[in-house]
Amino acid sequence: EAQVTQNPRYLITVTGKKLTVTCSQNMNHEYMSWYRQDPGLGLRQIYYSMNVEVTDKGDVPEGYKVSRKEKRNFPLILESPSPNQTSLYFCASIQPSTDTQYFGPGTRLTVL
Amino acid sequence: AQTVTQSQPEMSVQEAETVTLSCTYDTSESDYYLFWYKQPPSRQMILVIRQEAYKQQNATENRFSVNFQKAAKSFSLKISDSQLGDAAMYFCAYRSAINNDMRFGAGTRLTVKP
Repeated sequence: EAQVTQNPRYLITVTGKKLTVTCSQNMNHEYMSWYRQDPGLGLRQIYYSMNVEVTDKGDVPEGYKVSRKEKRNFPLILESPSPNQTSLYFCASIQPSTDTQYFGPGTRLTVL
Repeated sequence: AQTVTQSQPEMSVQEAETVTLSCTYDTSESDYYLFWYKQPPSRQMILVIRQEAYKQQNATENRFSVNFQKAAKSFSLKISDSQLGDAAMYFCAYRSAINNDMRFGAGTRLTVKP
């Protein structure tokens, strides 16, 4: 089954404690992306990657890092989380032939 | 930068009736893609329909269709024969064909009344 997985699904942490949210897809897609969703703002793109070792900033990259060492994985790293990064995070990958985005189930992050 | 605007924070429709959700966007690009996504209470994002800007024909997927007006930069979603399972947040989205920049609207919450 084609899917995008994210872990953890829920995370409560404290300010300044480094964390990583993993994202993995089994569709061999080159393009992957991270979004955050906040009430009244829709989804905003944090970072995206067009291929291995190629990453670009999206609309709201401040406070986040990503890496793309292999095609299937695209982890999101928060080096020093702050309360304003409390949000719902989605990872997605794109099927190029149809331009369809496959979203992961989301990660609910709370930073105290 | 491109922007996507959904002017209806909430909409409601009677079961079996038709409802139209509005979306406008702003861009200087000529080649792009437009999408409608559905987000049910499970929070998963589900692709409803997709439209390529270079295609004049409006996309249709079963009970879902769009009215794409390129000159007016409008991309509305029509849901026919509404069902209880259609209740969700709906997001309009724009993707650049040049740099793959993705923009979403703020969403419209659709309620379906039995």
